[in-house]
Amino acid sequence: GAVVSQHPSWVICKSGTSVKIECRSLDFQATTMFWYRQFPKQSLMLMATSNEGSKATYEQGVEKDKFLINHASLTLSTLTVTSAHPEDSSFYICSARVGGPNQPQHFGDGTRLSIL
Amino acid sequence: GDSVTQMEGPVTLSEEAFLTINCTYTATGYPSLFWYVQYPGEGLQLLLKATKADDKGSNKGFEATYRKETTSFHLEKGSVQVSDSAVYFCALAGGTSYGKLTFGQGTILTVHP
Repeated sequence: GAVVSQHPSWVICKSGTSVKIECRSLDFQATTMFWYRQFPKQSLMLMATSNEGSKATYEQGVEKDKFLINHASLTLSTLTVTSAHPEDSSFYICSARVGGPNQPQHFGDGTRLSIL
Repeated sequence: GDSVTQMEGPVTLSEEAFLTINCTYTATGYPSLFWYVQYPGEGLQLLLKATKADDKGSNKGFEATYRKETTSFHLEKGSVQVSDSAVYFCALAGGTSYGKLTFGQGTILTVHP
């Protein structure tokens, strides 16, 4: 149980385009979803927290107009990287949690984004 | 605020060796503690968890005990396999950083045949 699917797993696109990444909880309804960014050989950096039907809460230093998050249902959250540039190239990982703040998060397999 | 400190890596072991990865934490209240594992090119998988003091989490031969007196949650496995090679993250939830996971820096484990 607690499967989170992330799509696509790998995307390469030209500078200036927008890229959408989907995160779905397949066998549970997630009260909260999270988006992380991970640089090579580093831990995860939380970008934002989203609850279904409300605006996402962004971490300090994360541009909300650059990284658009939509959490339209209890099983789907999307991250759109707008007008992507090479410095946005990274590994993006989503997670979902059911229940309260002490419960574990369940992670997707990540999306490797490469901007040329 | 909350913090998690893991032992410095990388850790290199021979197959069937005993594994310990140290993890200590700082948090207020009664956080839950987790170990996650990340295989190359993948997301994180929950390996085990403990929600209160003296709880022992275990899975796939790995185990860790929530020690409140020493604020530790060390990961152990009696006999590692090549397939255990991955990055291991210690994390906590429910402390000061309400609702967020606080991660350690990760420990790279490489197991040689």
